[in-house]
Amino acid sequence: AQKVTQAQTEISVVEKEDVTLDCVYETRDTTYYLFWYKQPPSGELVFLIRRNSFDEQNEISGRYSWNFQKSTSSFNFTITASQVVDSAVYFCALSEAWGTYKYIFGTGTRLKVLA
Amino acid sequence: EAGVVQSPRYKIIEKKQPVAFWCNPISGHNTLYWYLQNLGQGPELLIRYENEEAVDDSQLPKDRFSAERLKGVDSTLKIQPAELGDSAVYLCASSPGSLGTEAFFGQGTRLTVV
Repeated sequence: AQKVTQAQTEISVVEKEDVTLDCVYETRDTTYYLFWYKQPPSGELVFLIRRNSFDEQNEISGRYSWNFQKSTSSFNFTITASQVVDSAVYFCALSEAWGTYKYIFGTGTRLKVLA
Repeated sequence: EAGVVQSPRYKIIEKKQPVAFWCNPISGHNTLYWYLQNLGQGPELLIRYENEEAVDDSQLPKDRFSAERLKGVDSTLKIQPAELGDSAVYLCASSPGSLGTEAFFGQGTRLTVV
């Protein structure tokens, strides 16, 4: 069965600190896709990144970076030099190739960046 | 390009009353999703459409919930009658339907049943 676990319910950091959000997934498929979404107070889920199961290269986009490790079934998200505008709830999601094209979400991590 | 549009943004109704939510997906997106998000939780799928066909409605409580996607574009989700436990955010999303593509979400409808 597919499952996404985000063990960190809430994290608070001071502005300019680095922070890592953890995501652990379970799947029986060999082909799958992982996503990160940001949900600011406005409520809309904003897509951040997609990774397929065959691409374990880490990715960096500005202050954001993602570490995908199949050996530990993890897809962690790091924000470098955090800013107040990064405050939001972040969701990790899984989509299996042979599933029903649905996205299985974790319970989210609320990030608070304090000025 | 316009994103996924949902209305209303907020709705307060009394229990046992009916309520409907509307979603307009991104133009050209064949796949449409309705998700339910309870407070402090991640979104959970209610129903998925491929064009006008509901291909996954296994999580939709069919005794009180219904949905339709006429002409494979806009969609409506209805609850009748609403219960107190239905208070949540109802999110609509769409995607091109290709394997592994991301879904794009609307801002959601926050329903409060009193």
